[in-house]
Amino acid sequence: NAGVTQTPKFQVLKTGQSMTLQCAQDMNHEYMSWYRQDPGMGLRLIHYSVGAGITDQGEVPNGYNVSRSTTEDFPLRLLSAAPSQTSVYFCASSSPGTSGAPGTQYFGPGTRLLVL
Amino acid sequence: QKEVEQDPGPLSVPEGAIVSLNCTYSNSAFQYFMWYRQYSRKGPELLMYTYSSGNKEDGRFTAQVDKSSKYISLFIRDSQPSDSATYLCAMRRDSSASKIIFGSGTRLSIRP
Repeated sequence: NAGVTQTPKFQVLKTGQSMTLQCAQDMNHEYMSWYRQDPGMGLRLIHYSVGAGITDQGEVPNGYNVSRSTTEDFPLRLLSAAPSQTSVYFCASSSPGTSGAPGTQYFGPGTRLLVL
Repeated sequence: QKEVEQDPGPLSVPEGAIVSLNCTYSNSAFQYFMWYRQYSRKGPELLMYTYSSGNKEDGRFTAQVDKSSKYISLFIRDSQPSDSATYLCAMRRDSSASKIIFGSGTRLSIRP
């Protein structure tokens, strides 16, 4: 199993450009999430999905869109990049878990984004 | 106020020392408490989790939860240089909850 894969690993954008960060998992997990990680801020939830066709907003959703057309893929779209979106982006997936045992969340290797 | 607070460190201790990492939280609905380890330029990986209050031990690692004080801890015994990483606490309301809230992470360095 490849686990959670993310592309690209690194990207430089100019202000106002749009792009899509790709995320895929091969573990048949229902839950997928996107986080951004900034120094001193930890991981902040951007958007998440509990299954194909179902998405919801996290803590910091503004400026980002997501869709979940398949179980495997969960792309994150930056509509009009801003310098404040310079960050490291992590995608994660997990199963729902059972009573007393939450599903382990697996993270991808991250995408480093620089917006100039 | 953040839902989860964690001292960012950095924390530097000599090899073999006992390390204590801590988080506080404000949402009493949290039931599952997790610790993740993140090496430099890597994604976080789950270290261990605890349900509700109490202790859980896994090798050199012990997790403690005090729900009355809204305070969780991770202890590392006989610390090794390979333990040098950022440790993030995380919480969720129930086992099926899809939203996980993370602390800001504590950067730990173990000196040989």
